[in-house]
Amino acid sequence: GAVVSQHPSWVICKSGTSVKIECRSLDFQATTMFWYRQFPKQSLMLMATSNEGSKATYEQGVEKDKFLINHASLTLSTLTVTSAHPEDSSFYICSAYRGRGTSTDTQYFGPGTRLTVL
Amino acid sequence: GNSVTQMEGPVTLSEEAFLTINCTYTATGYPSLFWYVQYPGEGLQLLLKATKADDKGSNKGFEATYRKETTSFHLEKGSVQVSDSAVYFCALRSASGGSYIPTFGRGTSLIVHP
Repeated sequence: GAVVSQHPSWVICKSGTSVKIECRSLDFQATTMFWYRQFPKQSLMLMATSNEGSKATYEQGVEKDKFLINHASLTLSTLTVTSAHPEDSSFYICSAYRGRGTSTDTQYFGPGTRLTVL
Repeated sequence: GNSVTQMEGPVTLSEEAFLTINCTYTATGYPSLFWYVQYPGEGLQLLLKATKADDKGSNKGFEATYRKETTSFHLEKGSVQVSDSAVYFCALRSASGGSYIPTFGRGTSLIVHP
Protein backbone atom coordinates (compact mmCIF):
# COMPACT_ATOMS: atom_id res chain seq x y z
CA GLY A 1 0.00 0.00 0.00
CA ALA A 2 0.89 3.65 -0.11
CA VAL A 3 3.62 4.69 2.27
CA VAL A 4 4.74 8.06 3.47
CA SER A 5 8.12 8.23 5.15
CA GLN A 6 9.73 10.88 7.30
CA HIS A 7 13.34 11.49 8.10
CA PRO A 8 14.67 11.74 10.69
CA SER A 9 12.38 9.93 13.09
CA TRP A 10 13.82 11.87 15.96
CA VAL A 11 16.27 14.72 16.34
CA ILE A 12 17.83 16.59 19.22
CA CYS A 13 19.35 19.98 18.53
CA LYS A 14 20.67 22.99 20.31
CA SER A 15 18.68 26.17 20.63
CA GLY A 16 19.32 28.52 17.72
CA THR A 17 20.09 25.86 15.14
CA SER A 18 17.93 24.86 12.18
CA VAL A 19 16.48 21.43 11.59
CA LYS A 20 15.18 19.99 8.34
CA ILE A 21 12.56 17.25 8.26
CA GLU A 22 11.87 15.36 5.05
CA CYS A 23 8.57 13.83 4.02
CA ARG A 24 8.45 11.45 1.09
CA SER A 25 5.67 9.62 -0.65
CA LEU A 26 7.28 6.31 -1.55
CA ASP A 27 5.03 4.78 -4.17
CA PHE A 28 2.79 7.57 -5.37
CA GLN A 29 2.97 11.17 -6.42
CA ALA A 30 1.58 13.74 -4.05
CA THR A 31 0.75 17.19 -5.34
CA THR A 32 -0.37 18.21 -1.88
CA MET A 33 1.18 17.36 1.45
CA PHE A 34 0.23 18.55 4.90
CA TRP A 35 2.39 19.31 7.90
CA TYR A 36 0.96 18.84 11.37
CA ARG A 37 2.24 19.47 14.83
CA GLN A 38 1.11 17.38 17.75
CA PHE A 39 1.57 18.27 21.38
CA PRO A 40 1.47 15.57 24.06
CA LYS A 41 -2.01 14.15 24.55
CA GLN A 42 -3.48 16.58 22.06
CA SER A 43 -4.87 16.46 18.61
CA LEU A 44 -3.08 17.33 15.43
CA MET A 45 -2.67 20.98 14.61
CA LEU A 46 -2.45 21.68 10.91
CA MET A 47 0.50 23.95 10.28
CA ALA A 48 0.51 24.29 6.52
CA THR A 49 -0.49 22.81 3.22
CA SER A 50 2.41 22.16 0.92
CA ASN A 51 1.78 22.36 -2.82
CA GLU A 52 4.26 21.05 -5.34
CA GLY A 53 5.83 23.86 -7.31
CA SER A 54 4.22 26.68 -5.41
CA LYS A 55 4.30 28.38 -2.06
CA ALA A 56 2.88 26.64 0.96
CA THR A 57 -0.33 27.83 2.55
CA TYR A 58 0.12 28.45 6.25
CA GLU A 59 -2.56 28.28 8.89
CA GLN A 60 -3.29 31.29 11.01
CA GLY A 61 -0.78 31.74 13.77
CA VAL A 62 1.99 29.70 12.12
CA GLU A 63 5.10 31.71 11.36
CA LYS A 64 6.08 31.04 7.77
CA ASP A 65 9.55 32.48 8.27
CA LYS A 66 10.19 30.09 11.11
CA PHE A 67 8.68 26.98 9.56
CA LEU A 68 9.97 26.91 6.00
CA ILE A 69 8.25 24.47 3.69
CA ASN A 70 9.55 23.42 0.32
CA HIS A 71 7.72 21.01 -1.98
CA ALA A 72 10.22 20.68 -4.77
CA SER A 73 8.96 17.48 -6.33
CA LEU A 74 5.88 15.30 -6.41
CA THR A 75 7.38 12.94 -3.85
CA LEU A 76 9.21 15.21 -1.45
CA SER A 77 8.28 18.00 0.91
CA THR A 78 10.59 19.43 3.55
CA LEU A 79 9.90 21.35 6.72
CA THR A 80 12.76 23.41 8.12
CA VAL A 81 12.46 24.72 11.64
CA THR A 82 14.72 27.74 11.64
CA SER A 83 16.44 29.06 14.75
CA ALA A 84 14.77 26.41 16.84
CA HIS A 85 13.89 27.08 20.47
CA PRO A 86 12.73 24.74 23.23
CA GLU A 87 9.09 25.72 22.63
CA ASP A 88 9.42 24.25 19.13
CA SER A 89 9.94 20.83 20.64
CA SER A 90 7.09 18.69 19.42
CA PHE A 91 6.04 15.76 17.27
CA TYR A 92 5.79 16.76 13.62
CA ILE A 93 3.76 14.65 11.23
CA CYS A 94 3.34 14.97 7.50
CA SER A 95 0.64 13.48 5.34
CA ALA A 96 -0.24 13.17 1.69
CA TYR A 97 -3.22 12.28 -0.42
CA ARG A 98 -2.95 9.52 -2.91
CA GLY A 99 -5.06 10.95 -5.69
CA ARG A 100 -6.32 14.43 -6.29
CA GLY A 101 -7.36 15.07 -2.73
CA THR A 102 -11.06 14.63 -3.18
CA SER A 103 -13.11 13.93 -0.10
CA THR A 104 -13.02 10.17 -0.67
CA ASP A 105 -9.26 9.84 -1.20
CA THR A 106 -7.23 8.23 1.52
CA GLN A 107 -4.86 10.43 3.46
CA TYR A 108 -1.61 8.70 4.36
CA PHE A 109 0.48 9.81 7.30
CA GLY A 110 4.16 9.65 7.91
CA PRO A 111 5.45 8.04 11.12
CA GLY A 112 6.29 11.42 12.63
CA THR A 113 9.47 13.20 13.72
CA ARG A 114 10.15 13.90 17.37
CA LEU A 115 12.04 17.19 17.69
CA THR A 116 13.69 18.09 20.99
CA VAL A 117 15.38 21.46 21.27
CA LEU A 118 17.74 21.85 24.19
CA GLY B 1 -17.24 25.63 9.84
CA ASN B 2 -16.44 21.96 10.17
CA SER B 3 -15.86 20.40 13.55
CA VAL B 4 -15.49 16.97 15.13
CA THR B 5 -16.28 16.17 18.75
CA GLN B 6 -15.02 13.03 20.42
CA MET B 7 -15.67 11.68 23.84
CA GLU B 8 -13.09 12.52 26.45
CA GLY B 9 -10.60 9.87 27.38
CA PRO B 10 -8.91 7.91 28.53
CA VAL B 11 -11.20 4.95 28.04
CA THR B 12 -10.00 2.07 30.20
CA LEU B 13 -11.27 -1.44 29.52
CA SER B 14 -10.45 -5.00 30.32
CA GLU B 15 -9.50 -7.36 27.54
CA GLU B 16 -12.51 -8.75 25.63
CA ALA B 17 -14.77 -5.89 26.72
CA PHE B 18 -17.01 -4.03 24.28
CA LEU B 19 -15.74 -0.70 23.02
CA THR B 20 -17.62 2.40 21.94
CA ILE B 21 -15.93 5.71 21.22
CA ASN B 22 -18.42 8.41 20.36
CA CYS B 23 -17.86 10.88 17.56
CA THR B 24 -20.21 13.57 16.30
CA TYR B 25 -19.57 16.13 13.64
CA THR B 26 -20.69 19.40 12.13
CA ALA B 27 -20.02 19.97 8.47
CA THR B 28 -21.28 21.67 5.36
CA GLY B 29 -22.05 19.56 2.36
CA TYR B 30 -21.51 15.82 2.36
CA PRO B 31 -18.36 14.92 4.24
CA SER B 32 -16.41 11.70 4.24
CA LEU B 33 -15.74 10.35 7.72
CA PHE B 34 -12.66 8.58 9.01
CA TRP B 35 -11.22 6.90 12.05
CA TYR B 36 -7.46 6.94 12.51
CA VAL B 37 -5.39 5.11 15.10
CA GLN B 38 -2.10 6.29 16.55
CA TYR B 39 0.08 3.86 18.44
CA PRO B 40 2.62 5.29 20.89
CA GLY B 41 5.44 7.15 19.16
CA GLU B 42 4.02 6.62 15.69
CA GLY B 43 2.09 8.53 13.08
CA LEU B 44 -1.55 8.03 12.28
CA GLN B 45 -2.89 5.04 10.40
CA LEU B 46 -6.23 4.95 8.66
CA LEU B 47 -8.45 2.48 10.50
CA LEU B 48 -11.66 2.78 8.51
CA LYS B 49 -13.73 5.22 6.54
CA ALA B 50 -17.21 5.85 5.18
CA THR B 51 -17.97 8.19 2.33
CA LYS B 52 -21.76 8.48 2.37
CA ALA B 53 -24.73 8.20 4.67
CA ASP B 54 -25.50 4.72 6.06
CA ASP B 55 -22.14 3.37 4.90
CA LYS B 56 -20.41 1.14 7.41
CA GLY B 57 -16.63 1.17 7.57
CA SER B 58 -14.93 -1.84 9.11
CA ASN B 59 -11.41 -3.08 9.69
CA LYS B 60 -9.64 -5.34 12.22
CA GLY B 61 -12.90 -5.92 14.08
CA PHE B 62 -13.67 -2.21 14.38
CA GLU B 63 -16.82 -0.77 12.85
CA ALA B 64 -18.41 2.63 12.44
CA THR B 65 -21.61 3.61 10.65
CA TYR B 66 -22.12 6.99 8.99
CA ARG B 67 -25.33 8.35 10.56
CA LYS B 68 -26.39 11.52 8.83
CA GLU B 69 -29.56 11.95 10.89
CA THR B 70 -27.58 12.07 14.12
CA THR B 71 -24.35 13.42 12.53
CA SER B 72 -22.43 10.64 14.22
CA PHE B 73 -19.74 8.12 13.38
CA HIS B 74 -19.24 6.11 16.57
CA LEU B 75 -16.42 3.56 16.66
CA GLU B 76 -17.22 0.11 18.05
CA LYS B 77 -15.45 -3.18 18.63
CA GLY B 78 -16.99 -6.23 20.16
CA SER B 79 -13.96 -7.56 22.00
CA VAL B 80 -10.90 -5.42 22.54
CA GLN B 81 -7.36 -6.67 22.94
CA VAL B 82 -4.37 -5.24 24.78
CA SER B 83 -2.84 -4.50 21.39
CA ASP B 84 -5.72 -2.11 20.65
CA SER B 85 -4.36 0.32 23.22
CA ALA B 86 -3.77 3.52 21.27
CA VAL B 87 -5.21 6.94 20.57
CA TYR B 88 -8.15 7.03 18.17
CA PHE B 89 -8.98 10.09 16.07
CA CYS B 90 -12.24 10.77 14.33
CA ALA B 91 -11.95 13.00 11.26
CA LEU B 92 -13.96 14.38 8.41
CA ARG B 93 -13.24 15.84 5.02
CA SER B 94 -15.58 17.86 2.94
CA ALA B 95 -15.25 20.42 0.20
CA SER B 96 -14.83 23.71 1.97
CA GLY B 97 -13.85 26.61 -0.20
CA GLY B 98 -12.60 24.17 -2.82
CA SER B 99 -10.13 22.41 -0.54
CA TYR B 100 -10.27 19.06 1.21
CA ILE B 101 -8.36 19.83 4.34
CA PRO B 102 -9.37 17.32 7.01
CA THR B 103 -10.73 18.23 10.40
CA PHE B 104 -9.69 16.06 13.34
CA GLY B 105 -11.21 15.46 16.72
CA ARG B 106 -9.03 15.76 19.79
CA GLY B 107 -8.42 12.04 20.01
CA THR B 108 -9.52 9.45 22.55
CA SER B 109 -6.96 7.38 24.36
CA LEU B 110 -7.87 3.72 24.82
CA ILE B 111 -6.14 1.62 27.46
CA VAL B 112 -6.85 -2.11 27.52
CA HIS B 113 -5.75 -4.14 30.53
CA PRO B 114 -5.10 -7.89 30.41
